[in-house]
Amino acid sequence: DSGVTQTPKHLITATGQRVTLRCSPRSGDLSVYWYQQSLDQGLQFLIQYYNGEERAKGNILERFSAQQFPDLHSELNLSSLELGDSALYFCASSVGTQNTEAFFGQGTRLTVV
Amino acid sequence: AQSVTQLGSHVSVSEGALVLLRCNYSSSVPPYLFWYVQYPNQGLQLLLKYTSAATLVKGINGFEAEFKKSETSFHLTKPSAHMSDAAEYFCAVTPTGFQKLVFGTGTRLLVSP
Repeated sequence: DSGVTQTPKHLITATGQRVTLRCSPRSGDLSVYWYQQSLDQGLQFLIQYYNGEERAKGNILERFSAQQFPDLHSELNLSSLELGDSALYFCASSVGTQNTEAFFGQGTRLTVV
Repeated sequence: AQSVTQLGSHVSVSEGALVLLRCNYSSSVPPYLFWYVQYPNQGLQLLLKYTSAATLVKGINGFEAEFKKSETSFHLTKPSAHMSDAAEYFCAVTPTGFQKLVFGTGTRLLVSP
């Protein structure tokens, strides 16, 4: 158990819909990262938050957004979903901003039908 | 941009045999390098990390990796494979100045009895 909690574990939704994925970081970790794992793109960094502020952005679509709340949990919002958004979405957390060691949650498997 | 290349999408070994998973990085400056393991339907678990200290890094479950600057490599080894080592292994690099992990495409390790 990494200490990073992601909910839900599985999500099935229709095209055009909007979903919210939730992540609770390890106790004491201020940084949260979101990654997408798909068959065609592999593991891709989406976005990072540190203590409530956006710190780095990767290959995140405009239809996707994220935020980190004062209690440090984070949510990833995916809207206008397309079939190609089906993937495993991972959250990771680390103590600081240098990402020297990130601990991953078990992921949320999103299936868009 | 920094990147890692994992040679071989699949590696098959017999139980008790040497495990060698290859990773080469591209970087103009010394990077931070990582190996993660992903078991089926689970998140990523950190095996070991190189952060410019000792070039031979020992990790969990008997794995180790050696940073070789002259070869720009960070290959993962284990002297004797166990059935429980069957999983997907990802090499990753943290680009200097960024706070994200850039992953390789992964190598699936198959262990036969």
